[in-house]
This record gives sequence, structure tokens and C-alpha cells, in this order.
Amino acid sequence: EDKVVQSPLSLVVHEGDTVTLNCSYEVTNFRSLLWYKQEKKAPTFLFMLTSSGIEKKSGRLSSILDKKELFSILNITATQTGDSAIYLCAVGNSGYALNFGKGTSLLVTP
Amino acid sequence: DAGVIQSPRHEVTEMGQEVTLRCKPISGHNSLFWYRQTMMRGLELLIYFNNNVPIDDSGMPEDRFSAKMPNASFSTLKIQPSEPRDSAVYFCASRGGAQVLAGELFFGEGSRLTVL
Repeated sequence: EDKVVQSPLSLVVHEGDTVTLNCSYEVTNFRSLLWYKQEKKAPTFLFMLTSSGIEKKSGRLSSILDKKELFSILNITATQTGDSAIYLCAVGNSGYALNFGKGTSLLVTP
Repeated sequence: DAGVIQSPRHEVTEMGQEVTLRCKPISGHNSLFWYRQTMMRGLELLIYFNNNVPIDDSGMPEDRFSAKMPNASFSTLKIQPSEPRDSAVYFCASRGGAQVLAGELFFGEGSRLTVL
């Protein structure tokens, strides 16, 4: 059975800190790993990673995938209160659906 | 583009009542997914359709749950009879044909169900 495990489950940091969120997975026929941000409503897409070692970057957020060790990290630098959200990791295999982890709840305090 | 549209946004009902949740996917998207989100279990896949055909319903909890997609622009998720443990946020998501398997899903705003 496919597994997606995120850590930590929750995190509290101060504005300006840098955070690293982790996602490890066990999946047959891996195709992609996706990161989403959820702020009380619908999850919104951040990144999709399919190749090892290639960093995806968007502003203060960046992510990288290690297909050998079966994990990904999401980094957020210079955190702001608007970064407070649940960050979801999802893995896609040869099927249609995405299998989600339980998420990391991030709270950024002023 | 209007995005994925779900209704109702909130539903409060009593145990034993029938609940119907509705979803309109993004126009042109040919895959539709129903997920359920709870604090304990996170986002769980219930069922997905491709070209209006159910592909995998192994995530549907039990016979009380059923889903249909009569055409490319509409899907329903029905719970009958509802139970308190069905309380959750139900998300509908869609994916376009141009996006390969295991690509990005576009989520609706969700339907928050409370069963008393």
C-alpha cells in the first residue's frame, strides 16, 4: 500500500525564520510528487517534482526531490505570517489519483 | 475560468438523513475526484472518474456512499443514511486532459458536512 508521511505534524516559528518541511514516501510506479498549501479552504498548488536533484523555486519557497532516498523537502525562507497554513505533500503513481500525506501545520507568529 | 464549483458549502443535518453533495469540474477537464478531509485521517480519496466513468471506488467507506457522474460537467456524492462519523470536509477536484497522469489537481472550495 502506498504511503506518504510528512514531518513534523506541526510547527511554530517566528517571522523571519527559515523552515524545512519533510515528506517521505513509499509508492509503486512513482511518477510525481506535489506540494500544496491549504489555508482553511481549498488546497492550492505549489510545486510538482518528477526528477531528482532539480530544485523548483517560487519566491521564498523552494522544493527538491530525492528519488533514491524517497523524500522531498519544502523550504520557506524569511517566513511571514501569511505563510501560516497546512502544507500537503502528495504522490502520484501510474494511476490517476494523488495520495496525500496528513500535512504539516505551520504557524508563523509576528 | 470559474474553477471547480461545489455545493453546498456547508451542510448540517441529522443522523439518518440523506446528503447530496454536488460538483462542477473545470470545463474541459476529463478526470474528477472526490476526497474527504478530517483531522484524524487527512485527505482521503473516495472515488475518481475518468471521462465520466468510475475508475476506482475502493476508497468509498461503505454502501451508504455512492457517487455518479452523469455528464462531463456534473458529479454528485450521496450519503444515505448519514452518520455522525461522516462529518468532514468533502473536496471535489478535477484534472485536464492536457495534464499527464499524476499531475496537478484543481480543488473546489469544499463542502463542510456536519451530521448531528
